Amino acid sequence: AQSVTQLDSQVPVFEEAPVELRCNYSSSVSVYLFWYVQYPNQGLQLLLKYLSGSTLVKGINGFEAEFNKSQTSFHLRKPSVHISDTAEYFCAVERYNQGGKLIFGQGTELSVKP
Amino acid sequence: DTAVSQTPKYLVTQMGNDKSIKCEQNLGHDTMYWYKQDSKKFLKIMFSYNNKELIINETVPNRFSPKSPDKAHLNLHINSLELGDSAVYFCASSQESFNQPQHFGDGTRLSIL
Repeated sequence: AQSVTQLDSQVPVFEEAPVELRCNYSSSVSVYLFWYVQYPNQGLQLLLKYLSGSTLVKGINGFEAEFNKSQTSFHLRKPSVHISDTAEYFCAVERYNQGGKLIFGQGTELSVKP
Repeated sequence: DTAVSQTPKYLVTQMGNDKSIKCEQNLGHDTMYWYKQDSKKFLKIMFSYNNKELIINETVPNRFSPKSPDKAHLNLHINSLELGDSAVYFCASSQESFNQPQHFGDGTRLSIL
């Protein structure tokens, strides 16, 4: 069985500080990897995805993530956060042979303080 | 010009009732999904349809029945509502049924009294 673990349920940071949101996964087969963001009372929006190729992927709003196959991790980073980045962040995986079935982590609440 | 729209946004009803949630996407996508987000914000897929055909059916009680009249619509009907059905239900769509980003609606918050 596959699973996704987001290691921090809450991450408080000050504005303009760097942030890393951690995500580890387990799967016996290759996976596609995604990060989504959920603002209050809204649906999820795609931040970035890793399908293949370069292990460093860049997404919207200045976020990036690095796929590390040996550590089965896909951590999300931003060098300088803004108040507007306050939201819930979800890591998700899709197995190669299970089209469209996203398995989500528990979510990390990023709280950016002035 | 909303891409994935769900109605209603809020649904408050009593145990035992039957209710439906509608979803429409105007992105021209072939695949649509229903997810359930519980009170701890955990998201779990329920169903997926590709061109009106069911392709993912997770272990969901058979009180939940999805219906796709065409590939732009995926509705969710729930019979005999129970307290545990209280959650936010999200509809989503994607171009294909694999390795594609999914576009989510704003959710329907279902509260069972």
